[in-house]
Amino acid sequence: AQSVTQPDIHITVSEGASLELRCNYSYGATPYLFWYVQSPGQGLQLLLKYFSGDTLVQGIKGFEAEFKRSQSSFNLRKPSVHWSDAAEYFCAVGPRGGSYIPTFGRGTSLIVHP
Amino acid sequence: DADVTQTPRNRITKTGKRIMLECSQTKGHDRMYWYRQDPGLGLRLIYYSFDVKDINKGEISDGYSVSRQAQAKFSLSLESAIPNQTALYFCATSDGRQGGTDTQYFGPGTRLTVL
Repeated sequence: AQSVTQPDIHITVSEGASLELRCNYSYGATPYLFWYVQSPGQGLQLLLKYFSGDTLVQGIKGFEAEFKRSQSSFNLRKPSVHWSDAAEYFCAVGPRGGSYIPTFGRGTSLIVHP
Repeated sequence: DADVTQTPRNRITKTGKRIMLECSQTKGHDRMYWYRQDPGLGLRLIYYSFDVKDINKGEISDGYSVSRQAQAKFSLSLESAIPNQTALYFCATSDGRQGGTDTQYFGPGTRLTVL
């Protein structure tokens, strides 16, 4: 069975600082990998996804993520955080076959200080 | 207009009441899902449907039922609400035509409080 771990419940950064949110997964093969963002009072929105190919994936709002097979990780990064990036971030892992149902991590809450 | 809509957006009810949460989508997607979100627990899948005649239980289906009235409509019912069903509920859709796990498109959520 697939699983995903987001080790950090909360992350606090200053505006303009760099950001890295961690995501580790467990799956028997290379899964489909996703990062979603949930702004306050809203539903989740896709930031980026990895299916195959280049292991560095670019997403919306200046975010990127790197798939590292050897570490079973898919960490999300942004070089300079804006106050509007304050939100909940969810990593998700999905199978390449079977039910195609993704499993979501518990989320990381990003707090941005001015 | 939003692609995935949920009604109501907020609901307060009492223990034992029957509640229906509705979801509609204009994305033309075959696949629809219901999740609940609890603080610190992330999203957990309640039910999913890959087409109008297909209904499947998710991780936490006990106490819930669903109805897929049309490709665009997927309703979640709590037959007899209890306080631990207080949560934020999300409907989502996905395309399903490319194979593998799709990107999911979420509605704005329904905040349900059971007293």
